[in-house]
Amino acid sequence: EAGVAQSPRYKIIEKRQSVAFWCNPISGHATLYWYQQILGQGPKLLIQFQNNGVVDDSQLPKDRFSAERLKGVDSTLKIQPAKLEDSAVYLCASSSGTSGGLQETQYFGPGTRLLVL
Amino acid sequence: AQSVTQLGSHVSVSEGALVLLRCNYSSSVPPYLFWYVQYPNQGLQLLLKYTSAATLVKGINGFEAEFKKSETSFHLTKPSAHMSDAAEYFCAVKGNFGNEKLTFGTGTRLTIIP
Repeated sequence: EAGVAQSPRYKIIEKRQSVAFWCNPISGHATLYWYQQILGQGPKLLIQFQNNGVVDDSQLPKDRFSAERLKGVDSTLKIQPAKLEDSAVYLCASSSGTSGGLQETQYFGPGTRLLVL
Repeated sequence: AQSVTQLGSHVSVSEGALVLLRCNYSSSVPPYLFWYVQYPNQGLQLLLKYTSAATLVKGINGFEAEFKKSETSFHLTKPSAHMSDAAEYFCAVKGNFGNEKLTFGTGTRLTIIP
């Protein structure tokens, strides 16, 4: 079974530029998550999708971040314009169940490491 | 809101020694608790999870954790450290009401001394 795929693996941009990350979850997984992991911290949930609907985006900085999962499969996360403090690893994860699956396991991709100069 | 505190951002143990990584949770109701491992330049991998079925949980790679309600703890242990255990370990908590998100601790970097 293929795991969660993410691209690119690394990205360097200058502040005020835009950037997009792509995630392809495990086949058949209904729930998809985007996390931000700042150096020295644990991952923080940015947005959660169930199929193509948003379940939780309470911690997404909506003035600059956007995400979509149009067909309920792969997803993109965009930052426009980027700030220095956006430098982090962006992790995508997926799980098989519906939202509210308390015991379901989240499977993580390798992440995209973003450096904003 | 649920939260977890990991005591010690860096832990070093000798190869073959006991590994003990500490995690304390804060929750008004019995939570679900998880330990994840992250190897360099990789995503997180689930080691084990507590879902109230049993207080002693066995995971992959010889790790286990014990849920102690009286101490609000969920410490991770392994009897004998291997060089391959060097990684960052994250404790995480999830509430048991509806769709509550997974909240991670700040992580503990484990170094194995040959």
